[in-house]
Amino acid sequence: GQQLNQSPQSMFIQEGEDVSMNCTSSSIFNTWLWYKQDPGEGPVLLIALYKAGELTSNGRLTAQFGITRKDSFLNISASIPSDVGIYFCAGQIGETSGSRLTFGEGTQLTVNP
Amino acid sequence: EAQVTQNPRYLITVTGKKLTVTCSQNMNHEYMSWYRQDPGLGLRQIYYSMNVEVTDKGDVPEGYKVSRKEKRNFPLILESPSPNQTSLYFCASSIGRRISYEQYFGPGTRLTVT
Repeated sequence: GQQLNQSPQSMFIQEGEDVSMNCTSSSIFNTWLWYKQDPGEGPVLLIALYKAGELTSNGRLTAQFGITRKDSFLNISASIPSDVGIYFCAGQIGETSGSRLTFGEGTQLTVNP
Repeated sequence: EAQVTQNPRYLITVTGKKLTVTCSQNMNHEYMSWYRQDPGLGLRQIYYSMNVEVTDKGDVPEGYKVSRKEKRNFPLILESPSPNQTSLYFCASSIGRRISYEQYFGPGTRLTVT
């Protein structure tokens, strides 16, 4: 199946710093999604991207759908302790939810106060 | 409150003892899916369902069964669990139409097979 390479695998930052993580694939995707998972919880959707080149913000989070449709990045500005968690990218090839959602391996974010 | 619920949240069982993990959503979503999460492997899809009585295999379906007799429920069945099925399992649902690809996840079921 398709594979997503997500990097970095982990990040240790100070509160107030900006964070950037990205996902790349050898396949072209029609949809990119970014999720956050808190300990003991299921992933929660942060941002959904549907068009190449699209740049979307959700508060301090900004994500972009790469022009080549093979990559996406997520930026978090002015990080705070509650940003701690695992961030997953996910890509979807088809045009219905029946098309498989392929997940990256996740980026573990630690924010030191 | 719109949500996806799973039961049980935690389960310890022995090899070969059949078990069912239930999943229910109250959002009238057409699409439902099961994933397993393992360290270093991210989330991998086990089975999914586009609607009632319509199910299909995901990336790692071996050793699992599902059924979709009602729109709101999508149970995951392990007929003869083995230790390599020890994992964290998530159920997810979405509207299922082109206007919304976003999947909403349940809280997870941590399964240990000894």
